[in-house]
Amino acid sequence: RKEVEQDPGPFNVPEGATVAFNCTYSNSASQSFFWYRQDCRKEPKLLMSVYSSGNEDGRFTAQLNRASQYISLLIRDSKLSDSATYLCVVPLKGNAGNMLTFGGGTRLMVKP
Amino acid sequence: DGGITQSPKYLFRKEGQNVTLSCEQNLNHDAMYWYRQDPGQGLRLIYYSQIVNDFQKGDIAEGYSVSREKKESFPLTVTSAQKNPTAFYLCASTLGGSSGNTIYFGEGSWLTVV
Repeated sequence: RKEVEQDPGPFNVPEGATVAFNCTYSNSASQSFFWYRQDCRKEPKLLMSVYSSGNEDGRFTAQLNRASQYISLLIRDSKLSDSATYLCVVPLKGNAGNMLTFGGGTRLMVKP
Repeated sequence: DGGITQSPKYLFRKEGQNVTLSCEQNLNHDAMYWYRQDPGQGLRLIYYSQIVNDFQKGDIAEGYSVSREKKESFPLTVTSAQKNPTAFYLCASTLGGSSGNTIYFGEGSWLTVV
């Protein structure tokens, strides 16, 4: 099992749809988790931090399920501009310095 | 504005050459990182440094070298020993080395072997 695992997708959804991605992880060291957005051929940019149970920012909701060891990202009312790859970032216990470890990303394509 | 600057953005290397990618940050961050990303893949950690004059190997350090002589700078050298260096290279930094800190990225450097 990979340390941080995401469904690579692509998730193809129509505009206005609600879509959710999960990210499973092994043995986290921290209270903080992160979702990043990466556009094609660009650097990742922070979308949301996830502390304790979850976080909400407009159309985006991130949740943490520590017992089942996954974080989720829910996008409501999808826009064309939401098309990107979404990376989850997890600090893993046992990696040197509790290093932040990236999932492979989930690709989202929102269609008109 | 504060941020991370990588250069060059695009670089072509001949087989057998060493090349150095520059990374400078003015965020006053202690920790800096180098990641490699291959097309359609996730990020893999090459090297990281949590303090000046100290750095550690990541998951794929072979064929790469780094230095951290100044807090602001963390250059990466891709040596001729790296057999498949064509990739997107991302430099990043965090305020401290602990896991709770947000990681910030430079715009990346595209390296192609010709």
